[in-house]
Amino acid sequence: ETGVTQSPTHLIKTRGQQVTLRCSSQSGHNTVSWYQQALGQGPQFIFQYYREEENGRGNFPPRFSGLQFPNYSSELNVNALELDDSALYLCASSLSLGDAAEAFFGQGTRLTVV
Amino acid sequence: AQTVTQSQPEMSVQEAETVTLSCTYDTSESNYYLFWYKQPPSRQMILVIRQEAYKQQNATENRFSVNFQKAAKSFSLKISDSQLGDTAMYFCAFGTASKLTFGTGTRLQVTL
Repeated sequence: ETGVTQSPTHLIKTRGQQVTLRCSSQSGHNTVSWYQQALGQGPQFIFQYYREEENGRGNFPPRFSGLQFPNYSSELNVNALELDDSALYLCASSLSLGDAAEAFFGQGTRLTVV
Repeated sequence: AQTVTQSQPEMSVQEAETVTLSCTYDTSESNYYLFWYKQPPSRQMILVIRQEAYKQQNATENRFSVNFQKAAKSFSLKISDSQLGDTAMYFCAFGTASKLTFGTGTRLQVTL
């Protein structure tokens, strides 16, 4: 049991809508990363937050945005949803920045865009 | 940019046998980690084993071991005494500064 929790577990949205996904990091972890895993693919890095600041971003458009709160929980927001945004969204927390060896994953949020 | 390649989309092994999953990567970084993650149908990524690039000794975790060839940029996973519970997707990943780059995965089926 990793202690990283994501909500909701499943979500269905209509094209053009906006969605917010949530992640509670493991206790004491100040770094949160978000990944998108399309069906049949490996996870793709979206962005990372460290102490409430964005610290690195993958090849995703600006309509993917995020927040990290003082308690280090995090949100992923996606605006103007497209069909291709349908995927499993994974959150991973780490004890500190640069600690790639200790990333713990949540169970993911399955987003379906129709 | 780093890339991770897993050339075996699917593999099958009989229970109690040994199987090796392949992974190659490309990077210009000198300090990094390599990982194998398991993703069962429950979707949660579970760390199987990790290797620090500066360590020459291959990592082992019980039935799981790696063959790390840094010069060849190769990082294979050997599963010994395969069990039905090993059935899952296996992802090879490259890590630096908390960012992970994943391969496309290998679906492993363990059969009776």
